[in-house]
Amino acid sequence: NAGVTQTPKFQVLKTGQSMTLQCAQDMNHNSMYWYRQDPGMGLRLIYYSASEGTTDKGEVPNGYNVSRLNKREFSLRLESAAPSQTSVYFCASSESGTEYYGYTFGSGTRLTVV
Amino acid sequence: AQSVAQPEDQVNVAEGNPLTVKCTYSVSGNPYLFWYVQYPNRGLQFLLKYITGDNLVKGSYGFEAEFNKSQTSFHLKKPSALVSDSALYFCAVRDGTGGFKTIFGAGTRLFVKA
Repeated sequence: NAGVTQTPKFQVLKTGQSMTLQCAQDMNHNSMYWYRQDPGMGLRLIYYSASEGTTDKGEVPNGYNVSRLNKREFSLRLESAAPSQTSVYFCASSESGTEYYGYTFGSGTRLTVV
Repeated sequence: AQSVAQPEDQVNVAEGNPLTVKCTYSVSGNPYLFWYVQYPNRGLQFLLKYITGDNLVKGSYGFEAEFNKSQTSFHLKKPSALVSDSALYFCAVRDGTGGFKTIFGAGTRLFVKA
């Protein structure tokens, strides 16, 4: 029972490099999300996808792009990494974007930009 | 705009004693409220939720939470703490008007001492 799988678990980038964080869920959930977690700030929403074929900006979308490749996969791309993007990134999914479904989270990607 | 406040960065409690982790919220519509727990180097795990109905909701691992509409609070409680409850706890709120975004608090670290 894999749930939400994120790759890679750790990554170190140099300023200006690009990379894609991968996320896949096997629960047939419609909605998927990308959050970043920074000390003392909780989780902040970067982008979300309410359903396959749609994506929308969250609280902190600058410097990121996303692709909802299919119902299972939702990737996050950093085109030109900056030290301010050093963070722990979590992907999550839920049965529906509406109302009251809780989220299932992946185990996170710890990204350091030097 | 919706918001969540967790006024305590850290809560310390002795094993066997009751614990409370506080959360207050602000939303424009009816609130959908959640608690999540995060263990070291792991993603967040769903604990419980309040959507409607009984103000006392029960969740995983013996946790419960009390919804208080007049005080706009949703405090997490457990009658008898365990050392294994030591973790980071997040309160979250979703606007009941149908928005897709869940807003997380900054988190409260719980230490349970043996």
